[in-house]
Amino acid sequence: GEDVEQSLFLSVREGDSSVINCTYTDSSSTYLYWYKQEPGAGLQLLTYIFSNMDMKQDQRLTVLLNKKDKHLSLRIADTQTGDSAIYFCAANYGGSQGNLIFGKGTKLSVKP
Amino acid sequence: DAGVIQSPRHEVTEMGQEVTLRCKPISGHDYLFWYRQTMMRGLELLIYFNNNVPIDDSGMPEDRFSAKMPNASFSTLKIQPSEPRDSAVYFCASSPPGLQPQHFGDGTRLSIL
Repeated sequence: GEDVEQSLFLSVREGDSSVINCTYTDSSSTYLYWYKQEPGAGLQLLTYIFSNMDMKQDQRLTVLLNKKDKHLSLRIADTQTGDSAIYFCAANYGGSQGNLIFGKGTKLSVKP
Repeated sequence: DAGVIQSPRHEVTEMGQEVTLRCKPISGHDYLFWYRQTMMRGLELLIYFNNNVPIDDSGMPEDRFSAKMPNASFSTLKIQPSEPRDSAVYFCASSPPGLQPQHFGDGTRLSIL
């Protein structure tokens, strides 16, 4: 079946850049999403990119999409301790609204 | 703006009991999704509705699970009878039409003893 994969852990120092990577298998995915989950909370939409784009920037966040390799990345500039959370990559499967496939999440730890 | 509202936030009950989880989607969103999150399996889509009609319930684990959406502003997920392996965080999400992002509630943390 279709799948989204991410590394499970990432540790960075405060002020450094963080790069979280994701690969997906469904070439018909039209939207790719990044969500953030803090302890005890729901998933908060951070940003998303349409499949015909290569890059999207939103303040400290930069999303890069390599559609040929089905690779998505999220770069957080000047990472802060408040960025510590689990980050989920998601892709809509088969181009449909409902079939959103999530990765297992990358736990970002930011050390002071 | 009010986000997706779920209740209760926490539920602890004994196995065999009926459990009802509730969700109020964002006004104007016509898609509603129920997910389950566990350490082992991550986030799984259980069922989703469009305009109050169930579209895909293939993720519902078994007949003990049922979901309804009687109107555009309310949905329930029911487990009867509950089992310890149902312990998880259950999320509700909603989205407007047109491949728009899903917005999640804060979830219900369910513990079945």
